[in-house]
Amino acid sequence: GAVVSQHPSRVICKSGTSVKIECRSLDFQATTMFWYRQFPKQSLMLMATSNEGSKATYEQGVEKDKFLINHASLTLSTLTVTSAHPEDSSFYICSARVGVYGYTFGSGTRLTVV
Amino acid sequence: TQLLEQSPQFLSIQEGENLTVYCNSSSVFSSLQWYRQEPGEGPVLLVTVVTGGEVKKLKRLTFQFGDARKDSSLHITAAQPGDTGLYLCAGAPTKLGNQFYFGTGTSLTVIP
Repeated sequence: GAVVSQHPSRVICKSGTSVKIECRSLDFQATTMFWYRQFPKQSLMLMATSNEGSKATYEQGVEKDKFLINHASLTLSTLTVTSAHPEDSSFYICSARVGVYGYTFGSGTRLTVV
Repeated sequence: TQLLEQSPQFLSIQEGENLTVYCNSSSVFSSLQWYRQEPGEGPVLLVTVVTGGEVKKLKRLTFQFGDARKDSSLHITAAQPGDTGLYLCAGAPTKLGNQFYFGTGTSLTVIP
């Protein structure tokens, strides 16, 4: 089946630095990928929709200058958290649409900003 | 915007008990999915329902899509510790669009 590989699975960074998270579709092409943020025991909140070859679409309240999304190829989307602060610590998950009804998810990235 | 409200938010039960999780909305969805997520992992798809009134069974799990396609339920029979996790419903308002909304989530703990 369609697999999305997300790296890194865990990252700890210092406040003020930037962190890049990669999401790759391994055996299919994904023109659209989605980035979510999740707090402990809470649901996934959609941050942005990443479109190959064009600008990402951000949900209301998400700072596009802080969460930079690049979707330069049909198999890779990246999320860069710029000038990270402790409040950015969270679980970030990407997903890609597969077929009409299917969505497949990466395994997530636990970001801790110290 | 959370279009899908799940209840209960937290549930702790003994092994062997039955339970039902509800997913409700005022909006109509072309399809609805249920996922289970374990800590530190991404959600894993359990089922997709697309027809109003549809019922699907997956071993001890029974999923139902409301007749009006606005709500859904997940019933677990004889819960086991392996059922522990975060259960999420998710709906797509349109068939071909990219909008996809997650419910508020239900954290289930099954005590041995």
